Amino acid sequence: NAGVTQTPKFQVLKTGQSMTLQCAQDMNHEYMSWYRQDPGMGLRLIHYSVGAGITDQGEVPNGYNVSRSTTEDFPLRLLSAAPSQTSVYFCASSRPRDTQYFGPGTRLTVL
Amino acid sequence: GQSLEQPSEVTAVEGAIVQINCTYQTSGFYGLSWYQQHDGGAPTFLSYNALDGLEETGRFSSFLSRSDSYGYLLLQELQMKDSASYFCAVRITDSWGKFQFGAGTQVVVTP
Repeated sequence: NAGVTQTPKFQVLKTGQSMTLQCAQDMNHEYMSWYRQDPGMGLRLIHYSVGAGITDQGEVPNGYNVSRSTTEDFPLRLLSAAPSQTSVYFCASSRPRDTQYFGPGTRLTVL
Repeated sequence: GQSLEQPSEVTAVEGAIVQINCTYQTSGFYGLSWYQQHDGGAPTFLSYNALDGLEETGRFSSFLSRSDSYGYLLLQELQMKDSASYFCAVRITDSWGKFQFGAGTQVVVTP
């Protein structure tokens, strides 16, 4: 049971490039979320999903897209990277009304 | 809207007791959670209060008072490994139950 996995661990992009951050969980959790964490700030919700085929925006969705074709996977796409998207990205999963389990994070730098 | 306030930093010596307060403004939530995050790591679940009162888990205890819009995390018999950031979070009831996090409290344990 690997829990929540994220790839890559580190990524450097140039402004304007696109990329996909991968997230997978093997706990059969319905709910999955993407957060970003900036220095001195808590976790801010980007997008979330309550099941395959169902996604919605969180607090800071601009510049990011998501889709959920399976229960296990919830990729986050950066459409055109900007320096303001330099951050640490965490994926999390949970059952309804239950505690969240976080992946190890992806550290993204946009130059 | 919702907001959670917690102190930015607390310093204490090994063996001491530390209390991290969390005051919140929210229209409704399922419960108050606490997460621990070490530098470079992912948030991990510590404690959850669905109802008012005290929950104890080993050296850590958490308290909630909905009437006072207030909760706290108590760390006893501090150890060096407790140096980390601690986040309070609520799961709000006006949507699918998404989480709102405080900005975090950095706990520094000194010898």
